Amino acid sequence: AQKITQTQPGMFVQEKEAVTLDCTYDTSDQSYGLFWYKQPSSGEMIFLIYQGSYDEQNATEGRYSLNFQKARKSANLVISASQLGDSAMYFCAMREGGDSNYQLIWGAGTKLIIKP
Amino acid sequence: NAGVTQTPKFQVLKTGQSMTLQCAQDMNHEYMSWYRQDPGMGLRLIHYSVGAGITDQGEVPNGYNVSRSTTEDFPLRLLSAAPSQTSVYFCASSYDPDSPLHFGNGTRLTVT
Repeated sequence: AQKITQTQPGMFVQEKEAVTLDCTYDTSDQSYGLFWYKQPSSGEMIFLIYQGSYDEQNATEGRYSLNFQKARKSANLVISASQLGDSAMYFCAMREGGDSNYQLIWGAGTKLIIKP
Repeated sequence: NAGVTQTPKFQVLKTGQSMTLQCAQDMNHEYMSWYRQDPGMGLRLIHYSVGAGITDQGEVPNGYNVSRSTTEDFPLRLLSAAPSQTSVYFCASSYDPDSPLHFGNGTRLTVT
């Protein structure tokens, strides 16, 4: 079974609209972390936001927020007021287990295209 | 602050050739890792290291070797290149498991 599922291979969104990128995860661990990364067409990987499983508040970083629904095992990325520069691949990733586990499991990504 | 420096940016190999992808970080991160990225898939972990002298296998280690003689450097060796190793390779490091990964700019490798 997939540990990280991103169900939207591609999305088109009008500029200035809000965007929600879906991510569901599968783990039996109580302690885990969820990450979102952006990969523009230039290829570099850019960290966006992190949510720990014990964090009570949804993470926010500027225009990015993470809609963390633990019971549903979902960690959707919300981008407010989308911009043309938000066009990119977006990856959700999960770290399971205790403090000694550094390994991330990655979703297949969502390609987001912002239309002017 | 250079962050993670990965070389080369592009490489073309013939089947059977060997090469080393270089990775260096100047952030004193204990954790370093190598990923490959193939079209339509997320990143897959090849090898990782949690400190100098310590390495371990990830999800797809076959055909690759690593070593970690210093905190700064974590080279990836392709022993005998195969077309299936055509991919984009990323080196990454982090301070601790809940800190974000810092990525190099990637190496696009083609094996013919």
